[in-house]
Amino acid sequence: SDELTQPPSASVSPGQTARITCSGDALSKQYAFWYQQKAGQAPVLIIYKDKERPSGIPERFSASKSGTTVTLTISGVQAEDGADYYCQSTDTSGTYYVFGSGTKVTVL
Amino acid sequence: QITLKESGPTLVKATQTLTLTCTFSGFSLRSPAVGVGWIRQPPGKAPEWLALIYWDDDKRYSPSLKSRLTINKDSSKNQVVLTMTNMDPADTATYYCAYSFIVVDTNWFHPWGQGTLVTVSS
Repeated sequence: SDELTQPPSASVSPGQTARITCSGDALSKQYAFWYQQKAGQAPVLIIYKDKERPSGIPERFSASKSGTTVTLTISGVQAEDGADYYCQSTDTSGTYYVFGSGTKVTVL
Repeated sequence: QITLKESGPTLVKATQTLTLTCTFSGFSLRSPAVGVGWIRQPPGKAPEWLALIYWDDDKRYSPSLKSRLTINKDSSKNQVVLTMTNMDPADTATYYCAYSFIVVDTNWFHPWGQGTLVTVSS
């Protein structure tokens, strides 16, 4: 299956660490990407090629991969990190693009 | 600075054809490895990739929507046009276009346009 599965929600207190998983068979062969989407805004890329961070993205955002699961980690969560987070990859052949179901992060 | 902006009707009727235009600046669709993609997002749901066109006119479509989609580019106008036929209320969504650039063996979408909400009435 080319689907990407994420937990629907995660709650974290300010200063704590949030971890969001994304699972899918294609991830063992294809790169993962992560997007942050705040309410009413377009998604913004925060991680590319499994673990690389674009310029301008805070260091508290990091990611890793193990087998068919990728994990986005937000260290020292801040109130402004409350948003929806989506993983993205491709099908196993790398032909078309797939988004995960999304995880809503709530900062308590 | 790369910017993209979507334009088109905000309301269409079921069975009609939707035509959306993405007007961009800060890059050329004549440059190797460059592409523009379309992604939609129904209210409260995850994004769904629709189509992508590359500088060399290579076109990719979502397998589930391929029969309804057409993507074209006008590099001289810095525009990419997406058409979707036989619209249905289930196609109600915010439609985004986004810049894509091939790096070695992969590409991603960044940045995105602001999006345009399209509502399909029955």
